[in-house]
Amino acid sequence: NAGVTQTPKFQVLKTGQSMTLQCAQDMNHNSMYWYRQDPGMGLRLIYYSASEGTTDKGEVPNGYNVSRLNKREFSLRLESAAPSQTSVYFCASSQSQTPIPYGYTFGSGTRLTVV
Amino acid sequence: DQQVKQNSPSLSVQEGRISILNCDYTNSMFDYFLWYKKYPAEGPTFLISISSIKDKNEDGRFTVFLNKSAKHLSLHIVPSQPGDSAVYFCAASEFGGNTPLVFGKGTRLSVIA
Repeated sequence: NAGVTQTPKFQVLKTGQSMTLQCAQDMNHNSMYWYRQDPGMGLRLIYYSASEGTTDKGEVPNGYNVSRLNKREFSLRLESAAPSQTSVYFCASSQSQTPIPYGYTFGSGTRLTVV
Repeated sequence: DQQVKQNSPSLSVQEGRISILNCDYTNSMFDYFLWYKKYPAEGPTFLISISSIKDKNEDGRFTVFLNKSAKHLSLHIVPSQPGDSAVYFCAASEFGGNTPLVFGKGTRLSVIA
């Protein structure tokens, strides 16, 4: 099915380890986003890419880096994982940065635990 | 500072009755608003949206109301069904949508049969 695919779905890391969360969309969307969801905190924007070749920081970028590899793929990297980065990570995409009228399409998430 | 606020973490409603979920915002530049629905272990899915030039938008059982002077919007679900049990997120964007969506903390709706 067309949509946003995130890998892996689950991951356990030790403090200090690094990893890359992968995201790919097959809807020919220009804009892509990384959010994290924590209990009681809602969805908070980490980084976004308005178009291929551009990336910008969101609300909570510290400890993360991103790469817009091509139009389809947008990866999120944790260089040195910390317990505070335990969260569920969602990738999303949209045709343009304008969410009108149907907003973003989200992936099913990556549940990351840092011990 | 939280720009989009959903002050009710949870809500329980009887099947067949109306569910009303509320959302307040502080940024007067927000001009487009969306509601998302999220089931456990799934990503959020788009439900309904409204532009600031309107005060109401309806789609089947779902209606969103916008009160710009009060910086308040609400989602009405009538009649509520058990399948509506989920977490609902309010989101907002400014400048005609040229900024990323800002989300509230969500409200967990439980529809009791």
